[in-house]
Amino acid sequence: GQNIDQPTEMTATEGAIVQINCTYQTSGFNGLFWYQQHAGEAPTFLSYNVLDGLEEKGRFSSFLSRSKGYSYLLLKELQMKDSASYLCAVRDASGGSYIPTFGRGTSLIVHP
Amino acid sequence: GAGVSQSPSNKVTEKGKDVELRCDPISGHTALYWYRQSLGQGLEFLIYFQGNSAPDKSGLPSDRFSAERTGGSVSTLTIQRTQQEDSAVYLCASSLDRLAGNYEQYFGPGTRLTVT
Repeated sequence: GQNIDQPTEMTATEGAIVQINCTYQTSGFNGLFWYQQHAGEAPTFLSYNVLDGLEEKGRFSSFLSRSKGYSYLLLKELQMKDSASYLCAVRDASGGSYIPTFGRGTSLIVHP
Repeated sequence: GAGVSQSPSNKVTEKGKDVELRCDPISGHTALYWYRQSLGQGLEFLIYFQGNSAPDKSGLPSDRFSAERTGGSVSTLTIQRTQQEDSAVYLCASSLDRLAGNYEQYFGPGTRLTVT
């Protein structure tokens, strides 16, 4: 199985940049996902990484280092609406499962 | 197009009663997943369907939990003899194919289950 660690909570200021880290341990890495979940709502897909490097999508970027078992989600030009929980999920191909396992999520609070 | 829908949105039940939760995935999505999320916790995987079969039931917490999927579409999650620890938000997700590269899971709004 996987062991996925994320910080529980982070705070940042509107307009700033924040980096949310995720570390994982898995025997058959097959992709890493980031989801955003606003309170009381369903998670929505943000990004997918399977190769090392940075994937940029507007104000959001996601980075992966497979050798280090490490990813981060970078949010630029923070807006109040970015206050949400950010979930890191790792897909493991060992055993043929391919089911993404989710971390506990990082609650991001954006202050004016 | 229509997203994943779940019903009911909220369910309050007495301890010991059975409940059925329903999920309508996005049309054409062959993979369907059930997760549950307790307050302050991550998403806990329960069961996965590929078509109508459930190759991975490893996450079901006890034999009181069961699920089925018919016609490769609608799925129901049944919890028998509910306990207070079953209280959580039950989320359903679907995707085109579990093995596709950057497939993403589309989540429904969830069913908030409260066992009193």
